[in-house]
Amino acid sequence: DIQMTQSPSSLSASVGDRVTITCRASQSISSYLNWYQQKPGKAPKLLIYAASSLQSGVPSRFSGSGSGTDFTLTISSLQPEDFATYYCQQSYSTAMYTFGQGTKLEIK
Amino acid sequence: EVQLVESGGGLVKPGGSLRLSCAASGFTFSSYSMNWVRQAPGKGLEWVSSISSSSSYIYYADSVKGRFTISRDNAKNSLYLQMNSLRAEDTAVYYCARDRVDYGDYFDYWGQGTLVTVSS
Repeated sequence: DIQMTQSPSSLSASVGDRVTITCRASQSISSYLNWYQQKPGKAPKLLIYAASSLQSGVPSRFSGSGSGTDFTLTISSLQPEDFATYYCQQSYSTAMYTFGQGTKLEIK
Repeated sequence: EVQLVESGGGLVKPGGSLRLSCAASGFTFSSYSMNWVRQAPGKGLEWVSSISSSSSYIYYADSVKGRFTISRDNAKNSLYLQMNSLRAEDTAVYYCARDRVDYGDYFDYWGQGTLVTVSS
């Protein structure tokens, strides 16, 4: 199975900050990496697919990069509505999708 | 508007069974693979199972293999998850999610989730 490891597990930041979350795969997954945002009590929401493609309707302050085993999600200028938990997901192995453990982004 | 609405969750005793449903609307259901993803209380997301558009390909997480069965009825625009031999560790919110393919798969629409509690 492909393991996905996110860092950090939690992060405190202020409105206006630039934030980066990292996701590492246990083997190369090319660019088959997706990012989701989840707020408490809500379903996850797709932000980025194929490592760097912005889902329709997602603000441009969100961006993704990386390929192979190392990936990043960057929020260029944090807004109050961005405080949430973020998950990466590999889709290289469609017979066994796996998610990272999540990164909780909190207000400093 | 794409909508996915789960139902069928509830309280069940260990060893019991439950059948979840996901009603889809707003898109051509028969053209998409579908997935179940769960989230235990206070925990992260765990993919559970997927089914291709024509039910030709079905996959399960190791944690549910042999106990859960995914199925779909394209005529009814519905996805199902039959859960047998339930354990306490199956307690979670279960989401259905649409699988979109565009240089790789991703889950572009999710339902609101249905809570399954396994407890005596």
